[in-house]
Amino acid sequence: GAGVSQSPSNKVTEKGKDVELRCDPISGHTALYWYRQSLGQGLEFLIYFQGNSAPDKSGLPSDRFSAERTGGSVSTLTIQRTQQEDSAVYLCASSSTVALSYEQYFGPGTRLTVT
Amino acid sequence: AQSVTQLDSHVSVSEGTPVLLRCNYSSSYSPSLFWYVQHPNKGLQLLLKYTSAATLVKGINGFEAEFKKSETSFHLTKPSAHMSDAAEYFCVVSDQGPLTFGKGTMLLVSP
Repeated sequence: GAGVSQSPSNKVTEKGKDVELRCDPISGHTALYWYRQSLGQGLEFLIYFQGNSAPDKSGLPSDRFSAERTGGSVSTLTIQRTQQEDSAVYLCASSSTVALSYEQYFGPGTRLTVT
Repeated sequence: AQSVTQLDSHVSVSEGTPVLLRCNYSSSYSPSLFWYVQHPNKGLQLLLKYTSAATLVKGINGFEAEFKKSETSFHLTKPSAHMSDAAEYFCVVSDQGPLTFGKGTMLLVSP
């Protein structure tokens, strides 16, 4: 079956612009996660959606970052007024809590470059 | 709070020799533990997982890991390295929510 997909695969933007990154999770997965992978910081958790519960935003680095998940499926991560330190690969993952598996399946990522 | 320490940033082996990638974890609860692999310019792929069943876990491509609670370790092993194993490996801990990643171990395999 189809895995997690993300778009765009690459995004170059100018400092100060807003960007939107999209994630399509595996069909039927109730949990969706956003992570960021950068050279200096490694892999960091950003935000987590589980079903209809309020999202866990504890990993968002600043109020310029936000995310939403519509209809319990597709998610969009928005970064406002981008800064050079936002340059990273943004990864989306989804998981099913059926049978308490909790393993997360990752998309290919969106490489964001802020110039 | 949970954390993961990968003890080696780089490990070099020759093809056909054993692989050992070391990982220690810290968690307040009975954690789930994972190893993920990332090949150059590729996404993260799950190698294996431990979720409180058997302590010796077998994964894909001949890898396995042993959960040792007394040592808070979850080391990854493979009896014989293959050139295609060259990649970055991440040890990961989860209390059934967001994953906490180690800083990664780059595995280099020479002919």
